[in-house]
Amino acid sequence: NAGVTQTPKFRILKIGQSMTLQCTQDMNHNYMYWYRQDPGMGLKLIYYSVGAGITDKGEVPNGYNVSRSTTEDFPLRLELAAPSQTSVYFCASSPQPPQGQYFGPGTRLTVL
Amino acid sequence: GENVEQHPSTLSVQEGDSAVIKCTYSDSASNYFPWYKQELGKGPQLIIDIRSNVGEKKDQRIAVTLNKTAKHFSLHITETQPEDSAVYFCAASMIYQLIWGAGTKLIIKP
Repeated sequence: NAGVTQTPKFRILKIGQSMTLQCTQDMNHNYMYWYRQDPGMGLKLIYYSVGAGITDKGEVPNGYNVSRSTTEDFPLRLELAAPSQTSVYFCASSPQPPQGQYFGPGTRLTVL
Repeated sequence: GENVEQHPSTLSVQEGDSAVIKCTYSDSASNYFPWYKQELGKGPQLIIDIRSNVGEKKDQRIAVTLNKTAKHFSLHITETQPEDSAVYFCAASMIYQLIWGAGTKLIIKP
């Protein structure tokens, strides 16, 4: 049982490039979340999903897109990367709320 | 909407002493309050949680207390050890989401 896995661990992008951050969970959780964490700061919710085919915006969705075609996968797409998107991105999953969320190890993204 | 305030932002304690981190929330509909520990370079890890029908919960050296009337909850760590050094986050439930506190950096002095 691997829990929540994220790839890649690190990535450097040039301004204007695009990429997809991958997130997979093997706990059969319906609820999944994407957060960003800037250095020394707290967690900000980007998008979340309550099940396959259903997604909704969080606090800071601009510049990002998500899809949820399966229960296991919840990729985050960055289009036209900007320096303001330099951050650590965490994916999390949860059983039926209200319950705790289980986090992946994160992807450290730098946009230059 | 829900708002969670967390204090202090930094807490420095002597090894072996106790540490207390406090959070307040605004929405009386919140009924689940988890605490997370984040070590450097890692994702947050759930360490203890409490539901609104319980006033206190303990797990070895850590405990959480909840005062629903005052809308605040606290994390207590006793007999602190070097491995307790980390950033701790509190959160409160809101429908499908968790609303997060800003975090407390706990420093354990040898």
